[in-house]
Amino acid sequence: QVQLVESGGGVVQPGRSLRLSCAASEFTFNYYAMHWVRQAPGKGLEWVAAISYDGTQKYYPDSVKGRFTISRDNSKNTLSLHMNSLRTEDTAVYFCARDTSYAPDFLEAYDLWGQGTMVTVSS
Amino acid sequence: DIVMTQSPLSLTVTPGEPASISCRSSQSLVQTNGYNYLDWYLQKAGQSPQLLIYLGSTRASGVPDRFSGSGSGTEFTLKITRVEAEDVGVYYCMQALQTPITFGQGTRLVIK
Repeated sequence: QVQLVESGGGVVQPGRSLRLSCAASEFTFNYYAMHWVRQAPGKGLEWVAAISYDGTQKYYPDSVKGRFTISRDNSKNTLSLHMNSLRTEDTAVYFCARDTSYAPDFLEAYDLWGQGTMVTVSS
Repeated sequence: DIVMTQSPLSLTVTPGEPASISCRSSQSLVQTNGYNYLDWYLQKAGQSPQLLIYLGSTRASGVPDRFSGSGSGTEFTLKITRVEAEDVGVYYCMQALQTPITFGQGTRLVIK
């Protein structure tokens, strides 16, 4: 069925790195821009990164800019998030989400979400 | 950054009664094409968010018609005509006009 499945979460020490993956299935992955959205325990939603359908455009909020890198492999229908210099405040469930458009500049909504993967940054 | 403010933050409703959630943005969400880039999502306990309304007033596929979105510019409302038990969860508004994409704080709907 049409779905997104995240993986790669876990417990990591502050300052270390982690890579998350999101596997897409049963839709034409390279038609859509993709995003990462996170949710700290008991908190609201925070947008983390976006990438265009072809990987040429990438966007980040200031809170992760320079530390996180979003990428995609359209041949493998996979979205990734490389997280460096992790901080305790990065602790959250990380969701991948499908953009309704091919580029984040034209985002209308997120019409498909994964189930999320938990990242805990703790010493 | 566009700040999204929801009210109320918590809402208790009797089944069959209506419910309304407000969302205010710190700047207009109207694009040059005339559409309001405002979405509503529902996150049920232990689940990922699900899209209810996009572009201010368009119901997503499969969303019951008891849900409706309205408003323009900086003031938006999500209405549920007759709340059902399955509607419990946290409702978020989100602006899709520009990056950084931002969400409201969330409104928790509880059934009385």
